[in-house]
Amino acid sequence: KNEVEQSPQNLTAQEGEFITINCSYSVGISALHWLQQHPGGGIVSLFMLSSGKKKHGRLIATINIQEKHSSLHITASHPRDSAVYICAVRWTDTGNQFYFGTGTSLTVIP
Amino acid sequence: EPEVTQTPSHQVTQMGQEVILRCVPISNHLYFYWYRQILGQKVEFLVSFYNNEISEKSEIFDDQFSVERPDGSNFTLKIRSTKLEDSAMYFCASCGGAYEQYFGPGTRLTVT
Repeated sequence: KNEVEQSPQNLTAQEGEFITINCSYSVGISALHWLQQHPGGGIVSLFMLSSGKKKHGRLIATINIQEKHSSLHITASHPRDSAVYICAVRWTDTGNQFYFGTGTSLTVIP
Repeated sequence: EPEVTQTPSHQVTQMGQEVILRCVPISNHLYFYWYRQILGQKVEFLVSFYNNEISEKSEIFDDQFSVERPDGSNFTLKIRSTKLEDSAMYFCASCGGAYEQYFGPGTRLTVT
């Protein structure tokens, strides 16, 4: 069965810390989405990756296709980064929809 | 910046009633999706829609569900006879073709 796994499930960090959230998947993908879900429930797209690395502000996302692994990094974390971060993948053999991980709940303490 | 909108933000309905959740995708997008998230669980795919027809659907999307694009802007999800277990957050998303999906803010459906 195709799986998306995220780690850690929960993460608490001090303001200013460097944060890494990991995503592993079981079979080949055509795209990987990093998403942020706010406490109110809304989902925001952070990155779409199919290879390499992308950076936006304090956020960096990397993907290693051979190892079937992606990481989301947050530099100089801030309390406003507190949210659930979700990895979602599009499998190469199952069409257009995305399959979601269970998310990593991040709390950044001032 | 263009965004996906959804209405209502919260819908409370009684079991057995029909509900229609509405979405306005980004105007030049061609692919449309509905997802749901039961409280405390992960987001699950329901259905994708392209060229005025369903392109894929999950096991969750049974005969109680239907989707429609009644005009050039709206994309709706109808649940014919709601059950308690339909209580969830429902997200609409649209995509312009380059894989990246843009999500709406969600509709929280509560079935009592």
